[in-house]
Amino acid sequence: QQQVKQSPQSLIVQKGGISIINCAYENTAFDYFPWYQQFPGKGPALLIAIRPDVSEKKEGRFTISFNKSAKQFSLHIMDSQPGDSATYFCAASISGSWGKLQFGAGTQVVVTP
Amino acid sequence: DGGITQSPKYLFRKEGQNVTLSCEQNLNHDAMYWYRQDPGQGLRLIYYSQIVNDFQKGDIAEGYSVSREKKESFPLTVTSAQKNPTAFYLCASSSRDRHGEQFFGPGTRLTVL
Repeated sequence: QQQVKQSPQSLIVQKGGISIINCAYENTAFDYFPWYQQFPGKGPALLIAIRPDVSEKKEGRFTISFNKSAKQFSLHIMDSQPGDSATYFCAASISGSWGKLQFGAGTQVVVTP
Repeated sequence: DGGITQSPKYLFRKEGQNVTLSCEQNLNHDAMYWYRQDPGQGLRLIYYSQIVNDFQKGDIAEGYSVSREKKESFPLTVTSAQKNPTAFYLCASSSRDRHGEQFFGPGTRLTVL
């Protein structure tokens, strides 16, 4: 069973809009939550990551919001651009597990001009 | 230019044949990983290795084998026992102290004819 549930499966947003992707987990031992961006035919690339001791982390137009009590975290892409069109994966891992990442199923984001 | 290389980019195999996918990294990373990616299912861990001459099964190891004779190399063999081998295969690596931050190769797309 998937340990990290991701939604929506796909979304379409206009240029300049906000893209929001949500993830939920059950295992409270998870303590590292990265987001990966993948373009068609390429390998994923680490975009941004958060640990549960903070509730929000921002890097440029990308923000992670983390709700420890609800066991949920989300990615917000502000001022979405056509170049942001890609598949986004959330993931979770446990420190000391040598990076065994549990991935969500992915969200395909399409930004229209 | 540091990174991870995978070869070949595309691979075709007849049913009943074993095939080996190559993964090489020059990032001096200790840990290496193999994932399988299917549409709508995210990335699933096949095998991972923390150090040379040692490796562990991931979530879907059946029908696959690996070796880690050199730090830089982590080849994956897809055996004839793998019932549904057609997929996109991704290799990744990470450093010892930042194992959650995985760097991915460009992937190999395997098709069984």
